Amino acid sequence: KAGVTQTPRYLIKTRGQQVTLSCSPISGHRSVSWYQQTPGQGLQFLFEYFSETQRNKGNFPGRFSGRQFSNSRSEMNVSTLELGDSALYLCASSLALTPGELFFGEGSRLTVL
Amino acid sequence: QQQVKQSPQSLIVQKGGISIINCAYENTAFDYFPWYQQFPGKGPALLIAIRPDVSEKKEGRFTISFNKSAKQFSLHIMDSQPGDSATYFCAASSGSGNTGKLIFGQGTTLQVKP
Repeated sequence: KAGVTQTPRYLIKTRGQQVTLSCSPISGHRSVSWYQQTPGQGLQFLFEYFSETQRNKGNFPGRFSGRQFSNSRSEMNVSTLELGDSALYLCASSLALTPGELFFGEGSRLTVL
Repeated sequence: QQQVKQSPQSLIVQKGGISIINCAYENTAFDYFPWYQQFPGKGPALLIAIRPDVSEKKEGRFTISFNKSAKQFSLHIMDSQPGDSATYFCAASSGSGNTGKLIFGQGTTLQVKP
């Protein structure tokens, strides 16, 4: 069974630009969550989507948004990029049966210059 | 109240030794406590998890000890091996409507010396 696939793996943007990251969950998983990982703040929850609906949202500004498609694939978007948005963005999928039983992708490494 | 505090930040253990990582939480609504292991360049992977109705769970060389009254839980890695060298995160979640939302500790970088 294929794991969680995230694209692109690496990208460099400049301040003020926007970025879209993509996530393909494990087949059959209907829940997709996004996390931001930085050395200073660690792993922080961004949002969770289940059956195309946002079910939970973390404490991030409105510049961070996401969506889920009918095939459970998800995208997250960050607009008006700031230097502090440089991070590893991780997508995780789950069957949504057991809280916290997540399967993570390898992440998209975003560098904002 | 949403925090999970993890210690130590880094840990060096000799091969064959016991690695112990501790976590503490405040929110009594948390009802699921997983541990994740992350290798460089990879995403975190679920290692072992426990619910607050049990005090200990063991899977191979990995054991979670849980103290509900103290609101603390810990990961013990017995017979630590160089291949266990990774970053370990404790986490907590609450409620069936939060299956994808985890509150993570800050992480512990474990180095097992041969």
